[in-house]
Amino acid sequence: DAGITQSPRHKVTETGTPVTLRCHQTENHRYMYWYRQDPGHGLRLIHYSYGVKDTDKGEVSDGYSVSRSKTEDFLLTLESATSSQTSVYFCASRQGAIGYTFGSGTRLTVV
Amino acid sequence: QKEVEQDPGPLSVPEGAIVSLNCTYSNSAFQYFMWYRQYSRKGPELLMYTYSSGNKEDGRFTAQVDKSSKYISLFIRDSQPSDSATYLCAMSAGGSGGGADGLTFGKGTHLIIQP
Repeated sequence: DAGITQSPRHKVTETGTPVTLRCHQTENHRYMYWYRQDPGHGLRLIHYSYGVKDTDKGEVSDGYSVSRSKTEDFLLTLESATSSQTSVYFCASRQGAIGYTFGSGTRLTVV
Repeated sequence: QKEVEQDPGPLSVPEGAIVSLNCTYSNSAFQYFMWYRQYSRKGPELLMYTYSSGNKEDGRFTAQVDKSSKYISLFIRDSQPSDSATYLCAMSAGGSGGGADGLTFGKGTHLIIQP
């Protein structure tokens, strides 16, 4: 997707290990978001950022932390992965009221 | 009750039919209403948006918002097999100067257009 890249695209990890997902945007957008998408739940907000070093919790933040040291990068960390965190993770950035751009997603499997 | 309710389907219709997709919501603060289309193993892409109540048309697509009923709709005319995807409604209370806390999504409706 134009302007936002997520890495890795796929990852399999073991329960209890730390995992970091990366989101990189080239749009110079101020706002960035991490969502997870699960069957039966749709997209749910994990954490968001409204500027460098400014972050806040979303609806499903337990077990996740984020960092934003540069405008273009927003990292999502699972400190100790659990099977319930198996999901597809989407990053998004926003310009204006409705200008959300989503990445292609990271498919994470915790075994 | 979730803030946004959307029937997950699947909804299967023949090619050429008119498709109606709907969401209801409970938060009166929502001002921006969006429809995203998501193909399998891809990220959501914005299809249409509406600010406050009213209708908006773009080609074969029409979005309607009725804030008094807390009900939004997306209509697809002359549906094509390429329209087969998951359609997500999304809402936001904030404008460009605020409302940093992202979008609230429905669960998405899986639409299948039969050739």
